Amino acid sequence: GQNIDQPTEMTATEGAIVQINCTYQTSGFNGLFWYQQHAGEAPTFLSYNVLDGLEEKGRFSSFLSRSKGYSYLLLKELQMKDSASYLCAVLDSNYQLIWGAGTKLIIKP
Amino acid sequence: NAGVTQTPKFRVLKTGQSMTLLCAQDMNHEYMYWYRQDPGMGLRLIHYSVGEGTTAKGEVPDGYNVSRLKKQNFLLGLESAAPSQTSVYFCASSVDRGRSQETQYFGPGTRLLVL
Repeated sequence: GQNIDQPTEMTATEGAIVQINCTYQTSGFNGLFWYQQHAGEAPTFLSYNVLDGLEEKGRFSSFLSRSKGYSYLLLKELQMKDSASYLCAVLDSNYQLIWGAGTKLIIKP
Repeated sequence: NAGVTQTPKFRVLKTGQSMTLLCAQDMNHEYMYWYRQDPGMGLRLIHYSVGEGTTAKGEVPDGYNVSRLKKQNFLLGLESAAPSQTSVYFCASSVDRGRSQETQYFGPGTRLLVL
């Protein structure tokens, strides 16, 4: 079966750096997405990786290793507004998005 | 540009009742999706549509029906609601499912409680 694993919850301090990991086993691979979802709101797109390596976008970076079935989202200079759930999703061979359960990130002052 | 909108925002149903959730998008997107999101689980695809007049089953289609009579609207129906359908329902749209870089744009969600 298809499976996406991410930690359920993480805690970090304002101003610090946090890395959220995602491992996947899917039928084929056509890219990996990270979405941010604040409590009670809709998911919003953060990043997309299809080739190995690091994609940087401001305070957020996303890394992919296809051979290891592994990705991480790196958040720098954490702000209180970064408190949210972070969803990892993989586009499989049928171009269907397979979603992880999400990682709830709690930022403490 | 409203993006993706959903109505209603919240609804309480009794077991056996029926209802329709409406999703509308003003981005001229071909692809539309209905997901449900439950605590501790990832988003699960219920049904999707690749264009006006077409629909297809997703991962968890049982108990739901959909229609896409107009390109901008995607309706999700529950014919006989069950407590297991208590969930948050999200609609999403995208330009093209085949272009893997294309992101999905989500509506604000509908919270459904079935008693």
